[in-house]
Amino acid sequence: DTAVSQTPKYLVTQMGNDKSIKCEQNLGHDTMYWYKQDSKKFLKIMFSYNNKELIINETVPNRFSPKSPDKAHLNLHINSLELGDSAVYFCASSPTGTGNTEAFFGQGTRLTVV
Amino acid sequence: AQSVAQPEDQVNVAEGNPLTVKCTYSVSGNPYLFWYVQYPNRGLQFLLKYITGDNLVKGSYGFEAEFNKSQTSFHLKKPSALVSDSALYFCAVTTSGTYKYIFGTGTRLKVLA
Repeated sequence: DTAVSQTPKYLVTQMGNDKSIKCEQNLGHDTMYWYKQDSKKFLKIMFSYNNKELIINETVPNRFSPKSPDKAHLNLHINSLELGDSAVYFCASSPTGTGNTEAFFGQGTRLTVV
Repeated sequence: AQSVAQPEDQVNVAEGNPLTVKCTYSVSGNPYLFWYVQYPNRGLQFLLKYITGDNLVKGSYGFEAEFNKSQTSFHLKKPSALVSDSALYFCAVTTSGTYKYIFGTGTRLKVLA
C-alpha cells in the first residue's frame, strides 16, 4: 500500500512538449505539495494545496499548472518544456498545513527534457 | 524568512564510530524541525522530528537529534554508524500555518567499512 504514489516514475520528452505528472495519497491528508529537486539535490517547494485550494505558489513559471481535483490528488501539468525543467519532482502530503507533523513523500518523477 | 543551513556537503565516518550531521535554522516563531534520509533514486524517508517538549528526540534506525534553541541547531546523531546509513540527509524546518517545509542543502553521509 503506497501512501503517496506518483506516475510516471521516469519521463523523457523533447523541448516544447507538454507533460503531466500525477500524484495520489491514500493517507487522508488535507495538504499536498510539489517539490523540485535539481541536479545538485536541492529541494525547493513549488506549490502547496490545502483541501484542493492553492495556498502557496513559490514564484513558479506560469508554464507549471497544478490541479487538485480532490484532496487526495494533486497533479502537475507542465507546458512548453524547457531544458532547465529537467529535475526530479516530488509530491508530498501532510495531515494539515500547521507544520507540527511530518510530510510523506512520493518516490519522485525524474523528468528529462532533451 | 525561514532558512536551514547544513554546513557540510559530506561527512565521512568509520563504521562503528558515532556520527553527527549538523543543521542550523532561522525562523520567526517556534520551529518545527525534521530530518529526512534519501537513498539513491528514492523518495525522502522521515527519520525524526522536534515539535515541542524534550530537546532530545529519538527516531528511526537508532538516530536521534538534539534541539538547541539558543544555538538554533538541530544536529542529527547516531552512537554507532553502519555502512547502510550511507545516504543523503536533509534537515527541514517549518512553522505553524506556513504550508511549506524548507529544506537544507543536504549532507551526504559516507560510512566506511
